[in-house]
Amino acid sequence: IAGITQAPTSQILAAGRRMTLRCTQDMRHNAMYWYRQDLGLGLRLIHYSNTAGTTGKGEVPDGYSVSRANTDDFPLTLASAVPSQTSVYFCASSVAPPPNTGELFFGEGSRLTVL
Amino acid sequence: QQQVKQSPQSLIVQKGGISIINCAYENTAFDYFPWYQQFPGKGPALLIAIRPDVSEKKEGRFTISFNKSAKQFSLHIMDSQPGDSATYFCAANSGGGADGLTFGKGTHLIIQP
Repeated sequence: IAGITQAPTSQILAAGRRMTLRCTQDMRHNAMYWYRQDLGLGLRLIHYSNTAGTTGKGEVPDGYSVSRANTDDFPLTLASAVPSQTSVYFCASSVAPPPNTGELFFGEGSRLTVL
Repeated sequence: QQQVKQSPQSLIVQKGGISIINCAYENTAFDYFPWYQQFPGKGPALLIAIRPDVSEKKEGRFTISFNKSAKQFSLHIMDSQPGDSATYFCAANSGGGADGLTFGKGTHLIIQP
């Protein structure tokens, strides 16, 4: 089934540990995004990539890094996790990169708890 | 900073009633206004979207009303059903922006049977 696959589905992590959330899409979309979702704050953009080899910072990039080595994969890394990074993380993709983003297709999310 | 303000934060509607969720924006460069629907444990999915060259768009029981002069847009769900219970997000996409969609904070909608 075509779409976006995120892993892990959920994870409990000790503060200070390094963590990589994986995201793979099989739709050959140009643009990919990472959002975090927190109660009362909605969806906030962490990082984005308009095409393979390029990345950009979103609204809340601090403490996170991304890479886009190829079209399909867009991993999100927390170098040293802190409790404020406890959240649900969503990866998304779109056919066209910004500014003509159009529809975003979301994965089912990765729930991360940092203790 | 680009911003989309959404209200109410939560909403309870009786089955068969009309659910109304409102959003307002500041940046006149926004040129695409989608609504996303999210069920518990799932990612958001596009429900309906509108461009500023029209004032209304209807798809089944879902309607977007757009007021360009007031910089407001709203989602109306007619004949609301328990299956419509979900979180709804409005969003906007700037024609000049480089970072995709900006989302409202969401509305948790409950349709009571």
